[in-house]
Amino acid sequence: GAVVSQHPSRVICKSGTSVKIECRSLDFQATTMFWYRQFPKQSLMLMATSNEGSKATYEQGVEKDKFLINHASLTLSTLTVTSAHPEDSSFYICSARRDTRREAFFGQGTRLTVV
Amino acid sequence: KQEVTQIPAALSVPEGENLVLNCSFTDSAIYNLQWFRQDPGKGLTSLLLIQSSQREQTSGRLNASLDKSSGRSTLYIAASQPGDSATYLCAVRYGGATNKLIFGTGTLLAVQP
Repeated sequence: GAVVSQHPSRVICKSGTSVKIECRSLDFQATTMFWYRQFPKQSLMLMATSNEGSKATYEQGVEKDKFLINHASLTLSTLTVTSAHPEDSSFYICSARRDTRREAFFGQGTRLTVV
Repeated sequence: KQEVTQIPAALSVPEGENLVLNCSFTDSAIYNLQWFRQDPGKGLTSLLLIQSSQREQTSGRLNASLDKSSGRSTLYIAASQPGDSATYLCAVRYGGATNKLIFGTGTLLAVQP
């Protein structure tokens, strides 16, 4: 399968600061990338879908000004959690897909802790 | 609303047992269905992908079936091992502009040695 790399795997930040998480498709060009959030012992909740070169589409209830998504190239999407608060602490996972006919591959996730 | 549910939420079995995990989805107009494994604090490992036109897929000790008309899929694990202990997630992909995956609630499996 294809490789999706997510960085960092863990990050601790202070309340009020911003944190950027990167998602890279290493061996294919991803026209679409997805960002998920997972609370402890819960399933993955889709936050937003991003297509290269266009604005991300956010799911209902997700604050677009708080969770900034940039998909500037076919191999890189970033999620920036702005003005982080302790309730933003969670596990964030990205996935990338070459095109609509193919399956998506997942990164290893980022554990964000806001203190 | 498109929802995906998994039963049971948790399962504990002795090593060597065969077991079945269930996944149901409310909208049967799926594009495909995928089973994943997630170890604690880790990302997802894709196990099996079943296209909407298929009825089952097999990989080693794993067999996944799909019944679109009833909105159900099962993951069968033969001769379970302690290393199979993990959370198993099913995810349904629907068509449309974004083709997004909707994840089930997950089944936490513990295989006792």
